Amino acid sequence: EAGVTQSPTHLIKTRGQQATLRCSPISGHTSVYWYQQALGLGLQFLLWYDEGEERNRGNFPPRFSGRQFPNYISEVNVNALELEDSALYLCASSGGASGSYEQYFGPGTRLTVT
Amino acid sequence: AQSVAQPEDQVNVAEGNPLTVKCTYSVSGNPYLFWYVQYPNRGLQFLLKYITGDNLVKGSYGFEAEFNKSQTSFHLKKPSALVSDSALYFCAVRDGLDSSYKLIFGSGTRLLVRP
Repeated sequence: EAGVTQSPTHLIKTRGQQATLRCSPISGHTSVYWYQQALGLGLQFLLWYDEGEERNRGNFPPRFSGRQFPNYISEVNVNALELEDSALYLCASSGGASGSYEQYFGPGTRLTVT
Repeated sequence: AQSVAQPEDQVNVAEGNPLTVKCTYSVSGNPYLFWYVQYPNRGLQFLLKYITGDNLVKGSYGFEAEFNKSQTSFHLKKPSALVSDSALYFCAVRDGLDSSYKLIFGSGTRLLVRP
């Protein structure tokens, strides 16, 4: 069974640009969670999508947004990139609100903003 | 507020010796507790979870963890460490009263197993 996949693996952008990160959940999982792992800040919850709807977002500015497609693939967009957005962005999937408790993580997208 | 504390930045053990990585938590409702491991340049790998029931839970690669409600702890243990266990370990909690389903992570503990 394929795990959670993320693309791209690495992304280099300049300040002010936009970045798009993509996540494919495990087959059968309806929930996708996004976390930011920034140096010195640990893992911070960013967004949760379930059944195509945004269910919750963490303490991040509105320039962080996303969506979930009918096939449960999710994208996060970061607009007006700032240097402090440089981080490893991890997505995870689970069986949704009525599914399993644990979240399974992908390998991450490393975003570097210069 | 929900929180997780991993008091040790690094734990050093010799191969073959038992290991313990400490975790304490604070939540409003019932805790759902998890351990993950992260190898360099990789995502997080699920090790084990406590949802309800037996306080001692067994997980992948010979790891186990003990839930202690009175001490609000969920320490990760392994009877005999391997060099290949060297990695970054994260404890995480989900508050049973939190409808966001998000995980709150500790700051991580680096485990170094020397040959």
